Amino acid sequence: KAGVTQTPRYLIKTRGQQVTLSCSPISGHRSVSWYQQTPGQGLQFLFEYFSETQRNKGNFPGRFSGRQFSNSRSEMNVSTLELGDSALYLCASSLGWSREETQYFGPGTRLLVL
Amino acid sequence: TQLLEQSPQFLSIQEGENLTVYCNSSSVFSSLQWYRQEPGEGPVLLVTVVTGGEVKKLKRLTFQFGDARKDSSLHITAAQPGDTGLYLCASTLETSGSRLTFGEGTQLTVNP
Repeated sequence: KAGVTQTPRYLIKTRGQQVTLSCSPISGHRSVSWYQQTPGQGLQFLFEYFSETQRNKGNFPGRFSGRQFSNSRSEMNVSTLELGDSALYLCASSLGWSREETQYFGPGTRLLVL
Repeated sequence: TQLLEQSPQFLSIQEGENLTVYCNSSSVFSSLQWYRQEPGEGPVLLVTVVTGGEVKKLKRLTFQFGDARKDSSLHITAAQPGDTGLYLCASTLETSGSRLTFGEGTQLTVNP
């Protein structure tokens, strides 16, 4: 079974631009969660989508948004990029029926904002 | 305020040494997971502990869950250079819904 895939793997943007990241979950998984990883803050939860609906949200500004499609693929968008948005963005998928389920992580998209 | 506190943050040891990494919280864990992350990759699940007092072994790695389900430890015996990586504990805390809350991580370097 193929793992979680994320595209692109690397991205360079400038301040003020916007960016869209994509995540394809493991086949059959309906929950996709997004995390931001930085050296200073570690891994922080952004949001979770299940069956095309945002089910859970972390403490990030409204510039960070996401959506999920009917095939469970998910996209994350960051508008008006700031230097501090430079990070590794990880998505994780799970079946989505129980909060105790294992989440499987993709390799991440490394975003650099100049 | 970090809900999950890991220690130490950095650890550099020689091949063959033993080490222990700790994960603590003031909240009760519903379950506790340990991940390992290598550079340029996402975290990979090593183990999930659920029951207070539980001990799980994965080859040279031993995971313990505290009786009160507020702390956990990861012990590596005879560390090897291949054990190098970022070790993360994570939990779906009872106060945080379904999302994973991570500790800051322990960066382990095993020198040959």
